[in-house]
Amino acid sequence: SQKIEQNSEALNIQEGKTATLTCNYTNYSPAYLQWYRQDPGRGPVFLLLIRENEKEKRKERLKVTFDTTLKQSLFHITASQPADSATYLCAPSGTYKYIFGTGTRLKVLA
Amino acid sequence: SQTIHQWPATLVQPVGSPLSLECTVEGTSNPNLYWYRQAAGRGLQLLFYSVGIGQISSEVPQNLSASRPQDRQFILSSKKLLLSDSGFYLCAWSTGTGYGYTFGSGTRLTVV
Repeated sequence: SQKIEQNSEALNIQEGKTATLTCNYTNYSPAYLQWYRQDPGRGPVFLLLIRENEKEKRKERLKVTFDTTLKQSLFHITASQPADSATYLCAPSGTYKYIFGTGTRLKVLA
Repeated sequence: SQTIHQWPATLVQPVGSPLSLECTVEGTSNPNLYWYRQAAGRGLQLLFYSVGIGQISSEVPQNLSASRPQDRQFILSSKKLLLSDSGFYLCAWSTGTGYGYTFGSGTRLTVV
């Protein structure tokens, strides 16, 4: 069955550093992959979508890579700020229904 | 602009009682609609999705059901709630394949 793995342990980094989060998937070949941010008690917020024919995508301080050979996506936040502290979810998909990873909790320390 | 409304925000219900959660989308037509549940400290579980009015696909067999009586309205129901139905219920919509979801603000359901 399809499986998505995100680092379940919280990631703590110092303000100003680059945070890198990993999303690995197995047993399927998604046509695109999405990243979302979720704050406690709130619904996830869409951040970025990258397609299988795109190696990298950027949006302001965010960068996403998509390696279909490794079946992995990396999500980078450069010049991180305490306001970036949240849980980040990945969702690889090839159809209109998305299966989400359990997310990685990021804490940016001031 | 498109908006999604989900209510109520919180709900406490006794075991065995019925449930009705409503979600409506404004500013778009023929959206794909979704119901997810998130248990405490867990990931998002897809419950139901709909790609058109009257069409419902179920992902997880359980005592919940969904209906789409109008193009932009999605309802999650149960005839008799179980303790295990407690969780954070999220409605979402998208314009189709390859587009991000927009989530509602969620309903925190506690079954007691």
